[in-house]
Amino acid sequence: GALVYQYPRRTICKSGTSMRMECQAVGFQATSVAWYRQSPQKTFELIALSTVNSAIKYEQNFTQEKFPISHPNLSFSSMTVLNAYLEDRGLYLCGASPGQSGNTLYFGEGSRLIVV
Amino acid sequence: GDSVTQTEGPVTVSESESLIINCTYSATSIAYPNLFWYVRYPGEGLQLLLKVITAGQKGSSRGFEATYNKETTSFHLQKASVQESDSAVYYCALGGNSGTYQRFGTGTKLQVVP
Repeated sequence: GALVYQYPRRTICKSGTSMRMECQAVGFQATSVAWYRQSPQKTFELIALSTVNSAIKYEQNFTQEKFPISHPNLSFSSMTVLNAYLEDRGLYLCGASPGQSGNTLYFGEGSRLIVV
Repeated sequence: GDSVTQTEGPVTVSESESLIINCTYSATSIAYPNLFWYVRYPGEGLQLLLKVITAGQKGSSRGFEATYNKETTSFHLQKASVQESDSAVYYCALGGNSGTYQRFGTGTKLQVVP
């Protein structure tokens, strides 16, 4: 079946440092990868959509300078949170799809970022 | 913009009782949105429960049903008889095929008690 693995599951980082998280698709080709953040008391906010061989589309309030994403092949994507501060804490989810946007997303269990 | 509003939780239901979790959507940039229900069981990742891509159609899975109602812009999740194992957080989401991606509601935590 289709599986998505995310790591690390949890990171504690000092304010102003950076954290990189990875997303691995197994059993299917992750043509599109959507990165989401769930902040405390909030829903999943879409950060960006990455499609292999296309430009990465960032949502309003999220930038490449802050959340650089790499999607080098059909099984792997990574995102870094640069200069993390308190407002960046939350659960970061990777949702991968074999098809166009709007198709079912297969999610990893998330990478939780704690900033101290 | 595009958005989803769903029942605020937590919702507590007794086992074998019926359940409805409301979901309404607003799709300003998507002409024909796809609608989804995702579920997150305790200790597990987010997973698709059911999906409907055509207005007027009903999706079903694990005893849950949801009908895509374009007139009322709703996609309510229903189950006739819940079980303790249904305790989870349920998320309604909408997505499109035009380069936009899935937008989630705030989630509804369901607790089924014996």
